[in-house]
Amino acid sequence: GAGVSQSPSNKVTEKGKDVELRCDPISGHTALYWYRQRLGQGLEFLIYFQGNSAPDKSGLPSDRFSAERTGESVSTLTIQRTQQEDSAVYLCASSLHAGGSYEQYFGPGTRLTVT
Amino acid sequence: GDSVTQMEGPVTLSEEAFLTINCTYTATGYPSLFWYVQYPGEGLQLLLKATKADDKGSNKGFEATYRKETTSFHLEKGSVQVSDSAVYFCALRGGGADGLTFGKGTHLIIQP
Repeated sequence: GAGVSQSPSNKVTEKGKDVELRCDPISGHTALYWYRQRLGQGLEFLIYFQGNSAPDKSGLPSDRFSAERTGESVSTLTIQRTQQEDSAVYLCASSLHAGGSYEQYFGPGTRLTVT
Repeated sequence: GDSVTQMEGPVTLSEEAFLTINCTYTATGYPSLFWYVQYPGEGLQLLLKATKADDKGSNKGFEATYRKETTSFHLEKGSVQVSDSAVYFCALRGGGADGLTFGKGTHLIIQP
């Protein structure tokens, strides 16, 4: 079946603008994760959704970052008033269930450049 | 908090050489351990995993053993190929249901 998809693949925005990134998880996957990968760094966990439970926002770097998910489908990550340090590849992953050793399947990412 | 440390790259080897990429971790409880690989131009994909001490994960000729006593999960392959050139990430998932903690990645370059 289809894998995790993300859009747009690339986004260039001016400092101070808001951006919205989209993730379509694998159908039937209850858990969805957002990560950030800055140049030369490992992946940094941002937020995770499990079913209809309240999301774990513990990794969000500031209150400019927010995310929503409708049920067990699409998720959007919104960054308000973007800063240059927000430039990174934003990766989404989904897994059948959360926790344990369930494999996370990653999307291709959205490369965000803030000028 | 949890953390993963892996050897800095790039690591450059000749084809058919033996590969080791070191990975050590700090975590509370009993984490699950993973190696992910990112081939050029492709997304991140799971290479292998181990969920408890002394487990050995293996795939595509790669192996890694979960060593609780040394808190390590080193990746090995006996004979690398040019097609193994990629960035390799060591990662762990703690006892809770939150996201993975990743190392910074090791860029592996295999020369013919």
